[in-house]
Amino acid sequence: NAGVTQTPKFQVLKTGQSMTLQCAQDMNHNSMYWYRQDPGMGLRLIYYSASEGTTDKGEVPNGYNVSRLNKREFSLRLESAAPSQTSVYFCASSERALEGTQYFGPGTRLLVL
Amino acid sequence: AQSVTQPDIHITVSEGASLELRCNYSYGATPYLFWYVQSPGQGLQLLLKYFSGDTLVQGIKGFEAEFKRSQSSFNLRKPSVHWSDAAEYFCAVGARGGATNKLIFGTGTLLAVQP
Repeated sequence: NAGVTQTPKFQVLKTGQSMTLQCAQDMNHNSMYWYRQDPGMGLRLIYYSASEGTTDKGEVPNGYNVSRLNKREFSLRLESAAPSQTSVYFCASSERALEGTQYFGPGTRLLVL
Repeated sequence: AQSVTQPDIHITVSEGASLELRCNYSYGATPYLFWYVQSPGQGLQLLLKYFSGDTLVQGIKGFEAEFKRSQSSFNLRKPSVHWSDAAEYFCAVGARGGATNKLIFGTGTLLAVQP
């Protein structure tokens, strides 16, 4: 049982490049989330997916898109990366019936030059 | 709107000393409350959570937290800190009901442990 896995672990991009961050969970959870973590800001929700086939914006969605590929996988795409998107990105998942307990992946560190 | 305040950005304690990390929340009803810990370079790990019932909640690694409705607080405590407790701690509040379990996180408290 790997829990929540994220790839890649680290990425360097140039401004304007695109990339997709991958996330997968093997806990059969319905809900999945993408957060970004910046110093002094805590974690901020970018997008979430309440269930397979649905996605919704969180607190800071601008510059990102997501795809809930199936129940296991939830990807985050940066179409045209900007230096302001330099951050650590965390994916999480939860089973709705468990009243809010979210399980986090190890994170992806992204540097945009 | 929900919000979470962790007033202490950084705390240093001596190994073996007691610890209390503060968390205050703003929410119209009784929320779900969580404490997560993040070790350097790692993801977040759930320490404990409060949903209902007994307001003193026990978690992993010897941590506990007390929900005080009158003070809108959910402070984290540990009677004797170990060097391995050095990490960043996040309090989070979740809304009851709804289709998903969105969490609002505080900005974190970085704990340093002196030998």
